[in-house]
Amino acid sequence: DVKVTQSSRYLVKRTGEKVFLECVQDMDHENMFWYRQDPGLGLRLIYFSYDVKMKEKGDIPEGYSVSREKKERFSLILESASTNQTSMYLCASKIGDDSYGYTFGSGTRLTVV
Amino acid sequence: AQSVTQLDSQVPVFEEAPVELRCNYSSSVSVYLFWYVQYPNQGLQLLLKYLSGSTLVKGINGFEAEFNKSQTSFHLRKPSVHISDTAEYFCAVTALGYYGGSQGNLIFGKGTKLSVKP
Repeated sequence: DVKVTQSSRYLVKRTGEKVFLECVQDMDHENMFWYRQDPGLGLRLIYFSYDVKMKEKGDIPEGYSVSREKKERFSLILESASTNQTSMYLCASKIGDDSYGYTFGSGTRLTVV
Repeated sequence: AQSVTQLDSQVPVFEEAPVELRCNYSSSVSVYLFWYVQYPNQGLQLLLKYLSGSTLVKGINGFEAEFNKSQTSFHLRKPSVHISDTAEYFCAVTALGYYGGSQGNLIFGKGTKLSVKP
């Protein structure tokens, strides 16, 4: 069974900390995505990557950066966490063709205190 | 630009009743359409998708959806819901380019929370 694995289900960090959220997929997918999910706002795209070392800004990239050094791993970085970054973070991946849809990880619920 | 509107943020329904979750999209080109389900504290799972062909699409767990091009809608239905269907449901769209491949990324609606009561 194909999988997207997010390293932490729950995370609590302090304001100003540097935070790393890790995502690994075992499907050899080219494309990977980071979303944040907030009540009433649905899923908002933060960053995506269509190849190793390639990245593109999504709709809300401010305060975030990403790293994709290997095809299977896509990391989301909060350089200096703030309370307004408290959210559910979802990683997803897909092959080049959208007809297969996206495969999502289980999510990381991040609380910044 | 594409957009997706899920007309109801919450839908309460009794067990064994039918349900319809509404989704409308806007796009000037052909699209692929998807419904995803998110159970509490989990990621999103693909429920069904429309790519082409028959406008009635069947998915997992007894759900189906009908693509209506003239109405730009893709409503999700189930004739008899169970308690276990309590979840949040997301409609998503991706536009197709001139040669048929998808352009851009999936655009998601804001979700509909289905609450099934005994």
